[in-house]
Parts: sequence; C-alpha cells; structure tokens
Amino acid sequence: DTEVTQTPKHLVMGMTNKKSLKCEQHMGHRAMYWYKQKAKKPPELMFVYSYEKLSINESVPSRFSPECPNSSLLNLHLHALQPEDSALYLCASSQGALTGDEQYFGPGTRLTVT
Amino acid sequence: KNQVEQSPQSLIILEGKNCTLQCNYTVSPFSNLRWYKQDTGRGPVSLTIMTFSENTKSNGRYTATLDADTKQSSLHITASQLSDSASYICVVSAWGTGGFKTIFGAGTRLFVKA
Repeated sequence: DTEVTQTPKHLVMGMTNKKSLKCEQHMGHRAMYWYKQKAKKPPELMFVYSYEKLSINESVPSRFSPECPNSSLLNLHLHALQPEDSALYLCASSQGALTGDEQYFGPGTRLTVT
Repeated sequence: KNQVEQSPQSLIILEGKNCTLQCNYTVSPFSNLRWYKQDTGRGPVSLTIMTFSENTKSNGRYTATLDADTKQSSLHITASQLSDSASYICVVSAWGTGGFKTIFGAGTRLFVKA
C-alpha cells in the first residue's frame, strides 16, 4: 500500500467553526508532513512530525494545531480561520524526516473559509 | 530569492510532441532532486528522484537529467499525451543551517492540446 489518504476531500467552514483534517498512511513511514498550497503556487511546508514528535513548525499561526496520535495518523485541527487560509491542504509521508527521502503526497483537502 | 527556479512558467504543446522543462538551483550542499507531476486540485506524484552521483533517470516517457556541476536539471517528456497536462514541480533537498531543508520550485504548467 503506497497510498496516503486524506479526509475530507472538500471542507467549507465559517470563521468561528472548529474542524479537523485527517491524514493516514500505512507504509510504515516515520515522518509525516502538512503543506498548504495556494492556486498556481508550490506547496508551502507547515509542520513536520518525525517519530510522532513535532520536529518542524514553520511559524504557522496557532489557529492551526497539528496532532499525531500514532505513527499512521496525522490530524490538523482548525479554529478561528481567516478567509485567506482557504487553500489546498496536502499531507505527505516519507521514510525519514531529515534525509530528503521521497515524499508521498495525499490527494489533499480543498478548504474554503467563508 | 527562490533557490529553485523553473522555466518556462507555462508551456503549450501539441499532442505527440516532445518537450523539455528546466530547473536551476542554488541550494547546497545538494542531497537529491525530485520531479513531481501535479494534476489540478490533486496531490503531487513523484516522477523521478536523483542523487548527486546520478545524471539521468527515466520513468516511462519521462526522462530527468541532472548536472550537479552547473546545478541544472531538466525533465524531458516524449510523445506527449493529453493526460500530461499538469504542473511539474522540481524539488531540491539539501543540508542547511538548522538542519535539512526541502525547497520547492514554482512549477511549470504544461498544457497538451489535441
């Protein structure tokens, strides 16, 4: 199984809502990532988890809160988002976090903040 | 300044024709370079990954080259198909101050027309 799955595929939320994005992989990868991608732009790294511990936080606002319950799951909790946070949110995983290993991406969650 | 520059920004070709996309990087010390294909609204899919010692790698109709001396890579697509219409992203990994880093290029948007 070389697939990274993400749910939901689409999400529309108001600025006062609380929602969560979910990501799952069963490749035995020890590193998982959250990226944000705006239209016609490359993905921007948000968080990196290595062995279930947060290893990189790219100065992301606290309204985004990542969680790694176990080695296969990665969540991104959303609260009090702004319209400019609307984007495609991509999850990825790799064998290791600090080795430049190939990253396998999920299909993304298209988030719209109203 | 973006450390990974891709050209052209966009490209339109006729079905069946060949094309070459360019990636120049200034990131060092270099670890590896990857080419990804990303369909609109979907996650990137890996095409090739090359380390410092490799200068060519093929994946079906896709052939990537790497010149680590001039810090240039190219992705050649042979006998293009309509399904090749996508963004192609060059990603370079390297060691930097503070640890390992992965830099995404802005991508080349390819349109294949019948």
